[in-house]
Amino acid sequence: GAVVSQHPSRVICKSGTSVKIECRSLDFQATTMFWYRQFPKKSLMLMATSNEGSKATYEQGVEKDKFLINHASLTLSTLTVTSAHPEDSSFYICSAPDPHRAMNTEAFFGQGTRLTVV
Amino acid sequence: KQEVTQIPAALSVPEGENLVLNCSFTDSAIYNLQWFRQDPGKGLTSLLLIQSSQREQTSGRLNASLDKSSGRSTLYIAASQPGDSATYLCAVVDGQNFVFGPGTRLSVLP
Repeated sequence: GAVVSQHPSRVICKSGTSVKIECRSLDFQATTMFWYRQFPKKSLMLMATSNEGSKATYEQGVEKDKFLINHASLTLSTLTVTSAHPEDSSFYICSAPDPHRAMNTEAFFGQGTRLTVV
Repeated sequence: KQEVTQIPAALSVPEGENLVLNCSFTDSAIYNLQWFRQDPGKGLTSLLLIQSSQREQTSGRLNASLDKSSGRSTLYIAASQPGDSATYLCAVVDGQNFVFGPGTRLSVLP
């Protein structure tokens, strides 16, 4: 079946540095990918929708200059956390719907990235 | 705006018990509802997917039902085991993206 691969699974960085997280669709082309964030003991919240060939759509309250999203190709979306601070520490996960599947079938999630900013 | 809630927030049961996790959503215009399991610090494991035209799905000891008109889904776990301990998330597909509930943290005690 279709697989979404996310990398890295875990990253620790210093405050002020930038971190890039990659999300790849391995056997299908994803014109759209979704980025979610999970705060400790909270549910996953949609951050932004990544669109190949156009700007990402950010949810209300998400800083677009802080969380840069680039949908570089039909199989790759990247999320860059710029000038990271400890409050950016979180679990980030991407998702991609297979465009060849009906909307009422399963979508696919990456394995998630645990970001810790020290 | 779609909102998903889950009850209870946490549950602790002895091994062997049958249990029910509840999920409610406010907008019945969904494409599907999916139950996930999340282990601490890990990603999501899909458990069951119920399409909008279906009323229930079963996989092993798990059974999920969907009542779109009332905006409810339940996940039934039979003969619970310590290995079932995890957070269980329900999510509805609203458009193309998911709207997640806050989860139920389940602890099954040996």
